Amino acid sequence: DQQVKQNSPSLSVQEGRISILNCDYTNSMFDYFLWYKKYPAEGPTFLISISSIKDKNEDGRFTVFLNKSAKHLSLHIVPSQPGDSAVYFCAASESTGNQFYFGTGTSLTVIP
Amino acid sequence: EAGVTQSPTHLIKTRGQQATLRCSPISGHTSVYWYQQALGLGLQFLLWYDEGEERNRGNFPPRFSGRQFPNYSSELNVNALELEDSALYLCASSLVEDEQYFGPGTRLTVT
Repeated sequence: DQQVKQNSPSLSVQEGRISILNCDYTNSMFDYFLWYKKYPAEGPTFLISISSIKDKNEDGRFTVFLNKSAKHLSLHIVPSQPGDSAVYFCAASESTGNQFYFGTGTSLTVIP
Repeated sequence: EAGVTQSPTHLIKTRGQQATLRCSPISGHTSVYWYQQALGLGLQFLLWYDEGEERNRGNFPPRFSGRQFPNYSSELNVNALELEDSALYLCASSLVEDEQYFGPGTRLTVT
């Protein structure tokens, strides 16, 4: 049973526009969330995180929003650049554990 | 600083054989995690080792096992290989809980 879901397998965005990647989770005990970026033939790299005490975390062009009541988080990339083209995974964990649950990924293509 | 390394890059085995995958964490990292990424699925948590001990395991059968050595490197062993074990196996290491650094993965193909 997939506890973390990314319902959009792919997304295409024009360069300079906003990319919004969505992630839903089912376990209300999750209180720490991360986004990873993965290029082909490479392992995922950590991008940005957010804990449940916040509803927003920003790092440069990347902002993650958390809506705990909806069990939903999103990653905003503004402005999108062609180098952002990759697969993005969201992941969640309970603070008491060290096991991360990953979504299936969203493949982002930024069109020049 | 060297990142997480995994070997081999590719591994081809036949059904029923055993596979051994290796991972070297970033220097100073004591925790190693193993994940399986099968086609169409997200990363599935397999095993977590810390300070040489297995701390947690995911929902995988016992034929998936591993160990962590005194130098914190780790092995993942898969016995009695089945066709559905074909996947990308990723290793990650961390020093603190919130950031895991991933290796490039080992592509296991079972024929």
